[in-house]
Amino acid sequence: EADIYQTPRYLVIGTGKKITLECSQTMGHDKMYWYQQDPGMELHLIHYSYGVNSTEKGDLSSESTVSRIRTEHFPLTLESARPSHTSQYLCATSRGDSWHFGDGTRLSIL
Amino acid sequence: QKEVEQDPGPLSVPEGAIVSLNCTYSNSAFQYFMWYRQYSRKGPELLMYTYSSGNKEDGRFTAQVDKSSKYISLFIRDSQPSDSATYLCAITTSYDKVIFGPGTSLSVIP
Repeated sequence: EADIYQTPRYLVIGTGKKITLECSQTMGHDKMYWYQQDPGMELHLIHYSYGVNSTEKGDLSSESTVSRIRTEHFPLTLESARPSHTSQYLCATSRGDSWHFGDGTRLSIL
Repeated sequence: QKEVEQDPGPLSVPEGAIVSLNCTYSNSAFQYFMWYRQYSRKGPELLMYTYSSGNKEDGRFTAQVDKSSKYISLFIRDSQPSDSATYLCAITTSYDKVIFGPGTSLSVIP
């Protein structure tokens, strides 16, 4: 069974706060991704990483940043949260044709 | 035109019915095709992965790809209430940058 963990599961926070969404995996996959998902809409790629010290921006313009200091950890940071950041954020890993998603963080910015 | 189109539903069927879920895509360069199942409050789970035209079967699930028509389908035989979920198609030109459809919501009524 895949082991990919996202914390927190739910977060309600005020505008202007700095937020870090955590994603950890125990499978040793090199490739990791952050997606944004709104209800009834497509998943949009925000950031991805091919391995340690590798990070790239995805297709969705975002005011977020990521880091990949360790293989198993891929945190996403919003420096100053805005109501437009309200969404579900999904972390995923892949190796070849094996893909795994976490259960997401539901973020609400007031 | 979006690169991947998928009827959002919702689709409601009686238990035991055969379900057909469909996606169309616009770029003939796409060569890998996936179907995901996503339960409420959960991350997507990879169901089927194929990269050639034709059918691929796994238990009650059959994925069908028609590259000439740019059309992919997922068939579910003997549908069960536990199949109630949102089904996402996803396509890619490589293993990494995946484009998702918006998903079709399926309800299987006992």
